[in-house]
Amino acid sequence: GAVVSQHPSRVICKSGTSVKIECRSLDFQATTMFWYRQFPKQSLMLMATSNEGSKATYEQGVEKDKFLINHASLTLSTLTVTSAHPEDSSFYICSAPRTDALFFGNTIYFGEGSWLTVV
Amino acid sequence: AQKITQTQPGMFVQEKEAVTLDCTYDTSDQSYGLFWYKQPSSGEMIFLIYQGSYDEQNATEGRYSLNFQKARKSANLVISASQLGDSAMYFCAMREGSQAGTALIFGKGTTLSVSS
Repeated sequence: GAVVSQHPSRVICKSGTSVKIECRSLDFQATTMFWYRQFPKQSLMLMATSNEGSKATYEQGVEKDKFLINHASLTLSTLTVTSAHPEDSSFYICSAPRTDALFFGNTIYFGEGSWLTVV
Repeated sequence: AQKITQTQPGMFVQEKEAVTLDCTYDTSDQSYGLFWYKQPSSGEMIFLIYQGSYDEQNATEGRYSLNFQKARKSANLVISASQLGDSAMYFCAMREGSQAGTALIFGKGTTLSVSS
């Protein structure tokens, strides 16, 4: 089946530095990818929709200058947390819908997620 | 108003028993999809079951079944014969509209604990 791969799975960075998280669709082209953030024991909150070849669409309250999203190819979207601070520590997970699917069932695939710790 | 409501923060069940996790949803769209995911402590999102708004039959996948009551806007997950490995967080989610490229909206989740 379709696979979405996310890297790195865990990252620790110093406060003030930037960290990049990659999300790749391995066997299908993803014109759209979604980025979610999840704090411990809480729900997945949609941060932004990444669109290939165009600007990302951010949800209300998400700082676009802090969470830079680039979707430069049909198989890769990146989320860069700029000038990270301890409050940015969270679980970040991407998902990609397979829009070329022949049925409308489960056509959404998640990456493995990335645990970010800012010290 | 919340689009997806999961009212049970935690549920406890013994091995081999069945358990129902509640989910209600709110949408004005006629076409939508409902999903259940399992999230173990590792964080990965494991797809369990899907129900389309036009599906007349309740979805079933092995030990998982979805009790879809459209008029009540509920989509409860039933896990039969619980196993210790079922202990995890469970999320109900909805995709509104008929476009595959629409983001899922998640409920707050229910933590299921299975004991021996």
